[in-house]
Amino acid sequence: KAGVTQTPRYLIKTRGQQVTLSCSPISGHRSVSWYQQTPGQGLQFLFEYFSETQRNKGNFPGRFSGRQFSNSRSEMNVSTLELGDSALYLCASSSSGTGEDEQYFGPGTRLTVT
Amino acid sequence: GNSVTQMEGPVTLSEEAFLTINCTYTATGYPSLFWYVQYPGEGLQLLLKATKADDKGSNKGFEATYRKETTSFHLEKGSVQVSDSAVYFCALNNQAGTALIFGKGTTLSVSS
Repeated sequence: KAGVTQTPRYLIKTRGQQVTLSCSPISGHRSVSWYQQTPGQGLQFLFEYFSETQRNKGNFPGRFSGRQFSNSRSEMNVSTLELGDSALYLCASSSSGTGEDEQYFGPGTRLTVT
Repeated sequence: GNSVTQMEGPVTLSEEAFLTINCTYTATGYPSLFWYVQYPGEGLQLLLKATKADDKGSNKGFEATYRKETTSFHLEKGSVQVSDSAVYFCALNNQAGTALIFGKGTTLSVSS
């Protein structure tokens, strides 16, 4: 079974631009969550999608948004990029989307904002 | 609010030494607790989990017991290997859905 895949793996953008990251969950998984990992703040939850609906949202500004498609693939978008948005963005999928469920993480997309 | 506190690293050990990484949490109710591990250049992998008080999660020689009375979930291993060198994250989930709250992570370095 293929794991969680994220594209692209690396991205360099300029302040003020916008970016879209993609995540393909494990086949059959309906829940996709996104996390931001930085040296200073650690791992922080961005949002979760389940069956195309945003179910939970972390404490991030509205510049961060996402969506999920009918095949469970998910995208996250960051508009008006700031230097502080430089981070590793991790996507995770789970089968049932319950709190006890194991989440399977992708390798991440490394975003650098210059 | 919900939070996780884990010991600061780095933790440096010799092969076959005993490992303890402390983790305490703040949460209402009965969260599920997890340990995830991140090897260099990779995403996170679930190491073990416990979903109710007094449960013991175990995997690959690692163990952690859900202690409600001390709000702790300390990670232990009796004999570490060089291949255990990684960053370890303690996490909790206290709501519907999959939103995990992570500790800051503890870097473990094991030398032969």
